[in-house]
Amino acid sequence: AQSVAQPEDQVNVAEGNPLTVKCTYSVSGNPYLFWYVQYPNRGLQFLLKYITGDNLVKGSYGFEAEFNKSQTSFHLKKPSALVSDSALYFCAVPRRGYGQNFVFGPGTRLSVLP
Amino acid sequence: DSGVTQTPKHLITATGQRVTLRCSPRSGDLSVYWYQQSLDQGLQFLIQYYNGEERAKGNILERFSAQQFPDLHSELNLSSLELGDSALYFCASSVEAGDTDTQYFGPGTRLTVL
Repeated sequence: AQSVAQPEDQVNVAEGNPLTVKCTYSVSGNPYLFWYVQYPNRGLQFLLKYITGDNLVKGSYGFEAEFNKSQTSFHLKKPSALVSDSALYFCAVPRRGYGQNFVFGPGTRLSVLP
Repeated sequence: DSGVTQTPKHLITATGQRVTLRCSPRSGDLSVYWYQQSLDQGLQFLIQYYNGEERAKGNILERFSAQQFPDLHSELNLSSLELGDSALYFCASSVEAGDTDTQYFGPGTRLTVL
């Protein structure tokens, strides 16, 4: 079964510092991986996805993610965090052979401190 | 703004009642998904429709049902409501139903059952 794990419930980082939000996956077949962000009282917004090709994927709002097949990881990164990046971040993988619906990780709450 | 609209934004109702949540997908999107977000269960897939047909079912209770209409909007019906049904309900849409398709989420409907 497809699954993703987000090992950290909470990540705190100072504004201007680099940030990393971790995601590891367990999938059968080729991994397709997604990152979404949820701001308070808002829906989920798509950040980026890995389908194939370059292991470094660039997305919205200056975020990027690094796909690492040997470590089965897809960590979300940003070189310089902003206070406005404070939100809940979800890693997701499509459930195969059952329509294209997502299995989401539990989410990681990112707090960027001024 | 994702282009997915959901109404109403908030619903407060009593146990035993029935409610209908409405979703309009992005223009051109054929797939609609419903998800439930609660503190204890996280983000859970409920059901998916593709071009009017049910494509996949997830953790959807028998008290819940959904449909997608010819104009592609969708409705999620929740009946015999219980306190535990209080949650944020999201609709998402995608162009097709492939594993690499990005899902775009609406702002959600917050349901409170008293």
